[in-house]
Amino acid sequence: KNEVEQSPQNLTAQEGEFITINCSYSVGISALHWLQQHPGGGIVSLFMLSSGKKKHGRLIATINIQEKHSSLHITASHPRDSAVYICAADRIYGNKLVFGAGTILRVKS
Amino acid sequence: GAVVSQHPSRVICKSGTSVKIECRSLDFQATTMFWYRQFPKQSLMLMATSNEGSKATYEQGVEKDKFLINHASLTLSTLTVTSAHPEDSSFYICSARSIWTQINEQFFGPGTRLTVL
Repeated sequence: KNEVEQSPQNLTAQEGEFITINCSYSVGISALHWLQQHPGGGIVSLFMLSSGKKKHGRLIATINIQEKHSSLHITASHPRDSAVYICAADRIYGNKLVFGAGTILRVKS
Repeated sequence: GAVVSQHPSRVICKSGTSVKIECRSLDFQATTMFWYRQFPKQSLMLMATSNEGSKATYEQGVEKDKFLINHASLTLSTLTVTSAHPEDSSFYICSARSIWTQINEQFFGPGTRLTVL
């Protein structure tokens, strides 16, 4: 079993829909990252969180440390949100990220 | 947020040649830089961790003589793919950790797409 599991693998939504992407991890972490990768490859760091909830524009990230679970929500989704979303766990011990497989999101207009 | 650049963004080379990829932190000092490789439709795979002024730490299965990493300053790390072969064609991404911001924050470069003919 992978240390970081994401679901769903693929997600197609209609413009305007509320979207949730889930991430579960089995390692002890100091932080969890949500990343966005557009076609063409560049990666953008969306959130880094170690507790609670963060919001940036239409994006919201939450984490439950006890349940080892994090969610990324997109409100009022738009075609430009179409991308691969990746969660990555920052282990307590060691200096490296453990990546989920990514969720391919496609938002149709 | 902090900016990490990579150069070149895209390179095509002949088999047997060496290619150097630069990773720069533009507005912050990074004590640690990471090099990743990404195959199509797969997630990032960590190749090595590079600390300024010391030798890089390579992940298991990554040939250190083939992928030479130099981290000579707090703002620059380079990855040289030596004697490149078609199987080295991939997307290479670097990231950097800043000593001035939260210790866990990483900033990613835009990536370099390498094609070896």
